[in-house]
Amino acid sequence: DADVTQTPRNRITKTGKRIMLECSQTKGHDRMYWYRQDPGLGLRLIYYSFDVKDINKGEISDGYSVSRQAQAKFSLSLESAIPNQTALYFCATSGATGGRGSNQPQHFGDGTRLSIL
Amino acid sequence: AQTVTQSQPEMSVQEAETVTLSCTYDTSENNYYLFWYKQPPSRQMILVIRQEAYKQQNATENRFSVNFQKAAKSFSLKISDSQLGDTAMYFCAFAFNDMRFGAGTRLTVKP
Repeated sequence: DADVTQTPRNRITKTGKRIMLECSQTKGHDRMYWYRQDPGLGLRLIYYSFDVKDINKGEISDGYSVSRQAQAKFSLSLESAIPNQTALYFCATSGATGGRGSNQPQHFGDGTRLSIL
Repeated sequence: AQTVTQSQPEMSVQEAETVTLSCTYDTSENNYYLFWYKQPPSRQMILVIRQEAYKQQNATENRFSVNFQKAAKSFSLKISDSQLGDTAMYFCAFAFNDMRFGAGTRLTVKP
């Protein structure tokens, strides 16, 4: 079984719909992240969470919200989807060795390909 | 804000040869971490190599090694004895409080 599981793997939906992407992990990591990947832009950070009560905006949080339901679960919501949110979305986790420095490598899920028509 | 630049959108190399992928970054921080990730067509993100900025010694993992030049803010990846399975997108990443990625380099290994 995968250590970081994202659901769904693919999703096609319409403009204006509310969408939730889910991520769960069995690695026991405190830190979880959501990214989107667009061609020519690499991965851009949407939100990250250092623990259940510590959630932070990333580079491109507008139009997105997150919920950290438990240490192992971190979901991403698009309240009213628009076509330019069409992208590949990744969830990632990492351990920590103290402080806020991200010195541990991130472990990624297999991604959710989201298409908004 | 930290930025990461990969100036080579695409590269190709013959099987068994050596290729170097470039990465530069901009930061005012002194202690940080750098990573290279590989994304094959399966779209998984796979860690290739990691470098701590406070270590002067360049990291090495089998056929993969880095040339870390802290003063120049440069972090290139060298792949030796290239294999067909190395064909992938390669992303350079800078980590401090969060992680910032470059736009990627698409590497094709030709038989």
